[in-house]
Amino acid sequence: DAGVTQSPTHLIKTRGQQVTLRCSPKSGHDTVSWYQQALGQGPQFIFQYYEEEERQRGNFPDRFSGHQFPNYSSELNVNALLLGDSALYLCASSFSTDTQYFGPGTRLTVL
Amino acid sequence: GENVEQHPSTLSVQEGDSAVIKCTYSDSASNYFPWYKQELGKGPQLIIDIRSNVGEKKDQRIAVTLNKTAKHFSLHITETQPEDSAVYFCAASKGTGTASKLTFGTGTRLQVTL
Repeated sequence: DAGVTQSPTHLIKTRGQQVTLRCSPKSGHDTVSWYQQALGQGPQFIFQYYEEEERQRGNFPDRFSGHQFPNYSSELNVNALLLGDSALYLCASSFSTDTQYFGPGTRLTVL
Repeated sequence: GENVEQHPSTLSVQEGDSAVIKCTYSDSASNYFPWYKQELGKGPQLIIDIRSNVGEKKDQRIAVTLNKTAKHFSLHITETQPEDSAVYFCAASKGTGTASKLTFGTGTRLQVTL
């Protein structure tokens, strides 16, 4: 049984560019949450998707947007990249419980 | 909003000793408290969790305790092994039975020395 998968593993972008990160939830899971983890910090909640809609949102600007597909996979989009967006982006999935399982993350570097 | 404080930031123990990591939370409505282990280059791995209707939970060498009155919870690892070396994060959420946003502590780097 595959766990949460994310792609790509690493990504390098320049300031002002746009980026799309992808997440496939654990089999049977229908809820996807995205977190940003800066170096040396704990993960910060960005938003959560359920039934293809954003259900909760953390304190992140509108440059951060997302999408959930009918197969429950999800994308995180970040526009107008800033140097401060450099971080590990984590996806977590769940199904009808509070328990969230994390993927390996995508390391984004903005130059 | 919820604020979770975690300490110590670093912890070094000898193999076989016990390790204790403590967290406090601010929002009395929080009722779900997971602990995650994160190894270098990997995502956080859930190791144990506890809900507010339970005071203690054990899973082999790992235990978590919760004091709702004081709003703090702790992770206890007994008989530590080198493979326990990692960064540990506590988190809190207002669990509703469906995943709610997790608020994380700042992490504890545990080093188990031989």
